[in-house]
Amino acid sequence: AQSVTQPDIHITVSEGASLELRCNYSYGATPYLFWYVQSPGQGLQLLLKYFSGDTLVQGIKGFEAEFKRSQSSFNLRKPSVHWSDAAEYFCAVGARSGYSTLTFGKGTMLLVSP
Amino acid sequence: ETGVTQSPTHLIKTRGQQVTLRCSSQSGHNTVSWYQQALGQGPQFIFQYYREEENGRGNFPPRFSGLQFPNYSSELNVNALELDDSALYLCASRAGQGFDEQYFGPGTRLTVT
Repeated sequence: AQSVTQPDIHITVSEGASLELRCNYSYGATPYLFWYVQSPGQGLQLLLKYFSGDTLVQGIKGFEAEFKRSQSSFNLRKPSVHWSDAAEYFCAVGARSGYSTLTFGKGTMLLVSP
Repeated sequence: ETGVTQSPTHLIKTRGQQVTLRCSSQSGHNTVSWYQQALGQGPQFIFQYYREEENGRGNFPPRFSGLQFPNYSSELNVNALELDDSALYLCASRAGQGFDEQYFGPGTRLTVT
C-alpha cells in the first residue's frame, strides 16, 4: 500500500522568500504524484501533478515540484512567496493500478510573515 | 470554481443519528470519489462510484454507504453517527477512471455532538 509523509506540520516563511515543502512517498513502482492546496474552509485545488516524463513539473501560481526517484521525494517549491500563499498544502500519491484513488499526506500549514 | 458542488455546507447531528451528504459532479464526469478529512489530517478515501457502481472502497465500516444516480450525482450516507465522524467530507469528480482532470468540491463540514 502506498503512503505519503510530509515531515513539516507548520512552516513560516517571510513574504518574498523562497519556499520548499517536503514530501516523501512509499510505493512499489513509479506513482502518480500531486500537490494540492487548501485554503481555510475550502476544498482542494490542484497545484500540479507528475505522471511521467520531465521530473521538474510546473504548476499554477508559480509553483514547481521535482520528482526524485532515488529519494522517493516530490518536493514543492516557489521562488518568492506571497501573503496569499498562506494555506495548507497536501502531497498525494495515486496508484497506477486499481481504481485510481489518492493517498494524502497529513499536510503542511504554510504561514507567511510580513 | 470547479463545477463540483456539495450540500449542505455545514451540518450538526447528534450521535446515533443518520446523515446524507450530496455531491453534484461536473458535467461529463461519471466517476465520483468521497473523502473524509478529520481536523488536522489529510483526506482519507472512503469509496468511489463509476457509472452508478461502487468500484473501490477504503478502510471505512459498512455504516458508510453511498449511491450514484444516472446523472452521476452522488450521495454519502452515514448511519449510527459517532463523535469521530466529525470531519470535512469532500467529493471529487472526474471523467473515466484515470487521474486526469479530477476536481474537488468545497466539502460539507459535519459536526457530531
